[in-house]
Amino acid sequence: EAQVTQNPRYLITVTGKKLTVTCSQNMNHEYMSWYRQDPGLGLRQIYYSMNVEVTDKGDVPEGYKVSRKEKRNFPLILESPSPNQTSLYFCASSIRDGRYEQYFGPGTRLTVT
Amino acid sequence: DAKTTQPNSMESNEEEPVHLPCNHSTISGTDYIHWYRQLPSQGPEYVIHGLTSNVNNRMASLAIAEDRKSSTLILHRATLRDAAVYYCILSGDLTGNTPLVFGKGTRLSVIA
Repeated sequence: EAQVTQNPRYLITVTGKKLTVTCSQNMNHEYMSWYRQDPGLGLRQIYYSMNVEVTDKGDVPEGYKVSRKEKRNFPLILESPSPNQTSLYFCASSIRDGRYEQYFGPGTRLTVT
Repeated sequence: DAKTTQPNSMESNEEEPVHLPCNHSTISGTDYIHWYRQLPSQGPEYVIHGLTSNVNNRMASLAIAEDRKSSTLILHRATLRDAAVYYCILSGDLTGNTPLVFGKGTRLSVIA
């Protein structure tokens, strides 16, 4: 089944403790992206990747890092999480770039205390 | 990105057609019109997209006004599973990065 998977689905952590949210797609998509969704603010893009080893900042990249060493994986790294990064995170992928249909993962709900 | 305007909420009876409107009066010539929906506790799901001509797929139809300043998503027979927030989004970034700017969307309720 074609899908985007994210792990973990739920995470409660403390300020400053490094964490990684994994994202993997099995559709051989070139484009991958991370979004966060907050009440009243909609979805906002954090980082995106047009292909392996090619990443770029989205609208709200501060406090986040990403890497794209393999086509299928696009992990989101929070080096020193803070409470304002408490949010619902979605990973998405698309066959070539963001203009094409984007497939979203199920989401990761992160709480930073 | 050009702005879109959608009603906050709409209601439909099950098995009836639903027309979800979207206004985008400042749309540019390169903007595609995308529709996504988000069911409760799930990630957004692609529904349909188009540029100028009307589009049909297995989920819905997209009717685009001749001047492209408005569009309508048509669900031909609403089911309970169609209850979701529907987002109308414009994208025309020719670099290929199209961050999807989700506004508040239209919350569709389907009554059995």
